[in-house]
Amino acid sequence: EAGVAQSPRYKIIEKRQSVAFWCNPISGHATLYWYQQILGQGPKLLIQFQNNGVVDDSQLPKDRFSAERLKGVDSTLKIQPAKLEDSAVYLCASSLVLGGSYHEQYFGPGTRLTVT
Amino acid sequence: QQPVQSPQAVILREGEDAVINCSSSKALYSVHWYRQKHGEAPVFLMILLKGGEQKGHEKISASFNEKKQQSSLYLTASQLSYSGTYFCGTGYQGGKLIFGQGTELSVKP
Repeated sequence: EAGVAQSPRYKIIEKRQSVAFWCNPISGHATLYWYQQILGQGPKLLIQFQNNGVVDDSQLPKDRFSAERLKGVDSTLKIQPAKLEDSAVYLCASSLVLGGSYHEQYFGPGTRLTVT
Repeated sequence: QQPVQSPQAVILREGEDAVINCSSSKALYSVHWYRQKHGEAPVFLMILLKGGEQKGHEKISASFNEKKQQSSLYLTASQLSYSGTYFCGTGYQGGKLIFGQGTELSVKP
């Protein structure tokens, strides 16, 4: 079974530029998550989708971050404009069913973003 | 609301045991444990859903004390492959998972 796919793996941009990340979850997984992991910290949930609907985006900085999951499969996360403090690894995860705290989540390899 | 993990870091020799603790200030519905190696994605180890539940995964096991709002991860007879950062993720009413700050484990030969 293929795992969670993410691209690109690395991205370097200047502040005020825009960037987009792509994620393809494990086939059949209804729930998709985007996490931000700053160096030395645990992953922080940005947004959670159930199929193509948003379940939780309370920690998403909506003035600069946006995410969509068209057709309930793959997803994109965008930052526009980027700030220095956005430098982090962006992890995508998926789980089979809704209920993030009751079912294991499978993580992709992440995209390491550096904002200069 | 973020769970607190202790210790922050631990160094072991191969074959030694370790315990990593995860404490929450709020009532827990579940506890997840993940291991992350440098530059890689977190890998799921186990999930505990009931108070008092214990689980095992090879020589790694965990317990969940619902009353004390805490969980412990036990690593016995550690191997070099156990090195990495261990995260607990605590589940609360509403379904969101919140991760601790991590415990860095280094196993030396």
